[in-house]
Amino acid sequence: SQTIHQWPATLVQPVGSPLSLECTVEGTSNPNLYWYRQAAGRGLQLLFYSVGIGQISSEVPQNLSASRPQDRQFILSSKKLLLSDSGFYLCAWSVQASYEQYFGPGTRLTVT
Amino acid sequence: AQTVTQSQPEMSVQEAETVTLSCTYDTSENNYYLFWYKQPPSRQMILVIRQEAYKQQNATENRFSVNFQKAAKSFSLKISDSQLGDTAMYFCAFMKNNAGNMLTFGGGTRLMVKP
Repeated sequence: SQTIHQWPATLVQPVGSPLSLECTVEGTSNPNLYWYRQAAGRGLQLLFYSVGIGQISSEVPQNLSASRPQDRQFILSSKKLLLSDSGFYLCAWSVQASYEQYFGPGTRLTVT
Repeated sequence: AQTVTQSQPEMSVQEAETVTLSCTYDTSENNYYLFWYKQPPSRQMILVIRQEAYKQQNATENRFSVNFQKAAKSFSLKISDSQLGDTAMYFCAFMKNNAGNMLTFGGGTRLMVKP
């Protein structure tokens, strides 16, 4: 069966520090991968998606970047965090050409 | 660009009663999918139900059903026989039928089921 992992589960970082959040998927090959951010009490906003290794599409211009160094690994990064980067970050995957997305457990990021 | 609107920030219902959550969307697409996701306090996103736009029949999953009105661009969720475990945030979402299969979410409705 397929599983999706995210780490860390929680993170507290000072303004200006770097960020690296990791997402990995097991049990499937060549998935579509997605990063979403959820601000407190709000819906999810798509940040990045990837349909293959090295292929990243950005939906929202911002302080963040994404990379996909391996087929089932998706990384969200920042060189310098802003207070506005605080939120709950969710990774998701789907089978290519499928409409159903499966979400990871999320990372709660607090920038202080 | 697509937009999804959930006009009810919070709702409550008595256990065993029925509740309907509203969702409207705006799109120029003809082929698309609509979803309702549930996010309990654990924050895990769980797919509740989906609807293909080309299907006229409303989707049903056990106690959950939708009222899909394509012309009105409306997609409401009805929860019958509400249970305490239904307490959660509910998000309506839209997906175009394309290679990226990206989801656009509404702002959510917080549902509280009272004993």
